[in-house]
Amino acid sequence: DGGITQSPKYLFRKEGQNVTLSCEQNLNHDAMYWYRQDPGQGLRLIYYSQIVNDFQKGDIAEGYSVSREKKESFPLTVTSAQKNPTAFYLCASGSPRFGRGGNEKLFFGSGTQLSVL
Amino acid sequence: GDSVTQMEGPVTLSEEAFLTINCTYTATGYPSLFWYVQYPGEGLQLLLKATKADDKGSNKGFEATYRKETTSFHLEKGSVQVSDSAVYFCALSLRSNDYKLSFGAGTTVTVRA
Repeated sequence: DGGITQSPKYLFRKEGQNVTLSCEQNLNHDAMYWYRQDPGQGLRLIYYSQIVNDFQKGDIAEGYSVSREKKESFPLTVTSAQKNPTAFYLCASGSPRFGRGGNEKLFFGSGTQLSVL
Repeated sequence: GDSVTQMEGPVTLSEEAFLTINCTYTATGYPSLFWYVQYPGEGLQLLLKATKADDKGSNKGFEATYRKETTSFHLEKGSVQVSDSAVYFCALSLRSNDYKLSFGAGTTVTVRA
């Protein structure tokens, strides 16, 4: 089946620890995104990548890092510098079109719930 | 900056009731507008979209019309079902912003039998 897969579903982080969230897609999409979802605040963009080996900061990039070494994969590392990491993290992918309509075909993974021990 | 404001929830309805979720936007330029839906424990799915003024998006009985004069994209459904219980997000994208989606805060809808 084609789709976007996030793992793990639940993740626990100890103080001072870095943790990495996995996101893999087999949809041949160029663009991939990481969003953070907090109750009552909607989704906020952490990082995005429009092409392999390139990525840009979103609105709340501090305390996070990413890499895009392969088209299919866009892992997110939550570093110890992120002081409030507890949230639901969503990965998405799409194929931006440079015309009217943009990247409306965003596909989302089922998310990773990160909690602090 | 570009942003979306949608009505706060939660919204609780009885089955077969009429649903409206208000959404207004602020944007420099002409955005594309979207409604996404998130069922419990899942990611988001595109529900409908509109790319220019006066366009109407529709899907699964839901409708929304792109109103440039009121900068709005309200979501409506004439007769809701229990299976429509979910969180609904209004969003916009702009070419000038690399087509990144900007989301509203989400509205939780619960439909009771």
